[in-house]
Amino acid sequence: GAGVSQSPSNKVTEKGKDVELRCDPISGHTALYWYRQSLGQGLEFLIYFQGNSAPDKSGLPSDRFSAERTGGSVSTLTIQRTQQEDSAVYLCASSPRTSGMGGELFFGEGSRLTVL
Amino acid sequence: AQSVTQLGSHVSVSEGALVLLRCNYSSSVPPYLFWYVQYPNQGLQLLLKYTTGATLVKGINGFEAEFKKSETSFHLTKPSAHMSDAAEYFCAVSPGNTGKLIFGQGTTLQVKP
Repeated sequence: GAGVSQSPSNKVTEKGKDVELRCDPISGHTALYWYRQSLGQGLEFLIYFQGNSAPDKSGLPSDRFSAERTGGSVSTLTIQRTQQEDSAVYLCASSPRTSGMGGELFFGEGSRLTVL
Repeated sequence: AQSVTQLGSHVSVSEGALVLLRCNYSSSVPPYLFWYVQYPNQGLQLLLKYTTGATLVKGINGFEAEFKKSETSFHLTKPSAHMSDAAEYFCAVSPGNTGKLIFGQGTTLQVKP
């Protein structure tokens, strides 16, 4: 694929249900990031992957949030027992390099989550 | 901790007028600085970045930004606004090592005909 692909693009769920959001990064990109974008909160960093490991999970807001990455490629962000405050757009980004080199992050179009 | 402050959540200019979007950063080490643009219902796209070297950085679509260490600023400018520039603009700083970005709150640019 040419860019970062996220699915679903829109998800409506009921409070208390679990949801999974998927990110397909650009092929060959070793770094992957999840962000949350909500009104009044701007863009919040959630988690960073280098390969399959997550050395920085500092942005995950609670233990209801988890993420994994397999094969150094696809990543899944899981939100358990969703709450209304989880409603937001979840953005995924990938990058071919890290180590503070000021590399560009390539963003997907996001998954819009609405919790009723 | 590094942070970014964008002054003005909404900026409105007339088509053809100067665009100035303000960004100030807080960093204890020389920062990497970025401007991203987000069009409605799309992901973020890199406009320009400063890493090292020349402090005046030119980006896509006629935008440029100047890194001023003495003022801890990285303001974004464009001499003449186009209707197509209407979007949300985010300034960001990279703390280094992981490549993750810390974003400002964003500035929505409105361009009036």
